[in-house]
Amino acid sequence: GAVVSQHPSWVICKSGTSVKIECRSLDFQATTMFWYRQFPKQSLMLMATSNEGSKATYEQGVEKDKFLINHASLTLSTLTVTSAHPEDSSFYICSARDLFRTGVAYEQYFGPGTRLTVT
Amino acid sequence: EDKVVQSPLSLVVHEGDTVTLNCSYEVTNFRSLLWYKQEKKAPTFLFMLTSSGIEKKSGRLSSILDKKELFSILNITATQTGDSAIYLCAVEAISNFGNEKLTFGTGTRLTIIP
Repeated sequence: GAVVSQHPSWVICKSGTSVKIECRSLDFQATTMFWYRQFPKQSLMLMATSNEGSKATYEQGVEKDKFLINHASLTLSTLTVTSAHPEDSSFYICSARDLFRTGVAYEQYFGPGTRLTVT
Repeated sequence: EDKVVQSPLSLVVHEGDTVTLNCSYEVTNFRSLLWYKQEKKAPTFLFMLTSSGIEKKSGRLSSILDKKELFSILNITATQTGDSAIYLCAVEAISNFGNEKLTFGTGTRLTIIP
């Protein structure tokens, strides 16, 4: 089956520093990757949609200069949280869409998530 | 703005009981509705529904979509402790930017008591 990995799985950083999270599709090519954020006891909120080789599309209310997304290849997307603050502490999940799925059959494969704690 | 509402928010039942989880939605450019199970980490895919009235079934789980009334239900029969999780409903639609987008509900936290 399709596998998506994230690294790191857990990171603690000091306020003001930047943190990079990687999302990789291990056994398929992903033209599109999605980044979500999940606060405790809340649902997943889409932050941005990342298409390989082009700029990410950010959802309303998400600061693109703070959450830098790079999707340089068909198997890797990165999310960099710049100048992190305690309110950025959250569970960040990526998902990837399989290039070769067509038609209305649509499925996103989720990574295991990265828990970010900013102190 | 697209909206997905799940009910109940939390449900506690005894092992062996049957549960029904609800999901209603308001979206423009609807494409499909998906159900996920989330335990400790990322969601795992359960069902994708695109057509009204056609039940999807996988073991003790089943789901159906009503596109006229804009809702879906997820049934779990003969529940087991391993069914304890958060069940997320998500609706896929075409965003204003022309790309597919999933909007998630807040989830139903299901707890099965042995």
